[in-house]
Amino acid sequence: ETGVTQTPRHLVMGMTNKKSLKCEQHLGHNAMYWYKQSAKKPLELMFVYNFKEQTENNSVPSRFSPECPNSSHLFLHLHTLQPEDSALYLCASSPEWGQGDSPLHFGNGTRLTVT
Amino acid sequence: EDQVTQSPEALRLQEGESSSLNCSYTVSGLRGLFWYRQDPGKGPEFLFTLYSAGEEKEKERLKATLTKKESFLHITAPKPEDSATYLCAVQASRGAGANNLFFGTGTRLTVIP
Repeated sequence: ETGVTQTPRHLVMGMTNKKSLKCEQHLGHNAMYWYKQSAKKPLELMFVYNFKEQTENNSVPSRFSPECPNSSHLFLHLHTLQPEDSALYLCASSPEWGQGDSPLHFGNGTRLTVT
Repeated sequence: EDQVTQSPEALRLQEGESSSLNCSYTVSGLRGLFWYRQDPGKGPEFLFTLYSAGEEKEKERLKATLTKKESFLHITAPKPEDSATYLCAVQASRGAGANNLFFGTGTRLTVIP
């Protein structure tokens, strides 16, 4: 049982839909992250929240909108997506952003397919 | 620019056949190098952190080593349950990428019984 839980596990959405991905961590961490994983590409950092404040936005298109209401929950709101946005979206947490000796703890991801 | 290159892209081993995975990196001051294991349909699972050249860490059949330019993940007498994708990531100590992890594309390991 991972300490980071993501829902849903799978999501199929049309290009005009609006949906949200949810992430919850039970590890008492203060930093949460969204990563995108596409086939044959490195994990791409999308957003970082540290103590509920956004510290990184890695030039992500505005059709992806993150929300971090508290240190345990992270959302990724999706609207007007493109087929190339189909990927595995991974949530991760760590005790605090930037601490080199604190590895990321990942959830099992949401497999998103945009039709 | 910070960069991580993993090789080979895929590796097939017979059970018991030892081998090594490579992670070459270019980074503005290394703060840490991380190894993760990822099983199909799951998120990456943390294995090791290495901080300085010469450092080694072991866990069961896995041993990670670090030089100033690369890291190796040695797998001794692998078993089928070691089959997974192994990801390497580095964290820089300075520059625009400091505080964030840069990942390689991974090595997909298959161990045949």
